[in-house]
Amino acid sequence: GAVVSQHPSWVICKSGTSVKIECRSLDFQATTMFWYRQFPKQSLMLMATSNEGSKATYEQGVEKDKFLINHASLTLSTLTVTSAHPEDSSFYICSARDLLAGDMGEQYFGPGTRLTVT
Amino acid sequence: GQNIDQPTEMTATEGAIVQINCTYQTSGFNGLFWYQQHAGEAPTFLSYNVLDGLEEKGRFSSFLSRSKGYSYLLLKELQMKDSASYLCAVPDSNYQLIWGAGTKLIIKP
Repeated sequence: GAVVSQHPSWVICKSGTSVKIECRSLDFQATTMFWYRQFPKQSLMLMATSNEGSKATYEQGVEKDKFLINHASLTLSTLTVTSAHPEDSSFYICSARDLLAGDMGEQYFGPGTRLTVT
Repeated sequence: GQNIDQPTEMTATEGAIVQINCTYQTSGFNGLFWYQQHAGEAPTFLSYNVLDGLEEKGRFSSFLSRSKGYSYLLLKELQMKDSASYLCAVPDSNYQLIWGAGTKLIIKP
C-alpha cells in the first residue's frame, strides 16, 4: 500500500523557536496533503489543506502566519510551527491523497510527529 | 452542515463480536470511511463504503445504509490488539474528511 513518512517523529523545542515537520509520499504522487492536529483523547482536527503549487487552505481558527505550509512538490509538504508555545504541544499528523485515485481516494496517513514545547 | 455521531467508548471480550455504529448527516454523500487508530499512532484505513450493504474484509466488516444515514463496523473474533479507537469519517462537498470523535474500544481477556 501507499506509504507516507513524517520527519521528525518527535521533537522537543523551547518556547519561541520554530519547528519544521516534513511529510512525504514515498511511492505515489499527492496533489493534496492534509495537516491535522490531535490533542490527547480528542479527535483529529484538520488544520489545513495543502495543494501542490498553490497556497494552503486553512481551517477557521488556525493562524496561517503561525503554521506555515509549503507544498513544493507532488511528494513533499512541510509544516513550520513558528514561535512555538507550550499550547502548541500536540500530535501533528499529515495525510496524502493519491493523485491517481482521484478525489475519492482514501487518505494515507503519516506516522505523526509529537511536538513538545517547553 | 455535517454531523457524525458514534459512541464514545465500548467494551468487549476477547474472542467475541462487537458492532460500532456511526450515524451521519451530510448535505451530499460521497461515501463513508472507517479508520483504526491505536493510542499515540496515526489512523490506518479500514474500509470505504459508497453503496448500501455489507462489505467483508477478513475479521472486519463494514455496513452502510444511505437512506438511514447509518453505518457500522463489525469486528469478529476480537483480539487484544484490536483495542484502539475507531473513527468514522465522511467527505464533505470539497472531499475533505469530516471526522467523528471516535469510539474507544476496550478489549478484556
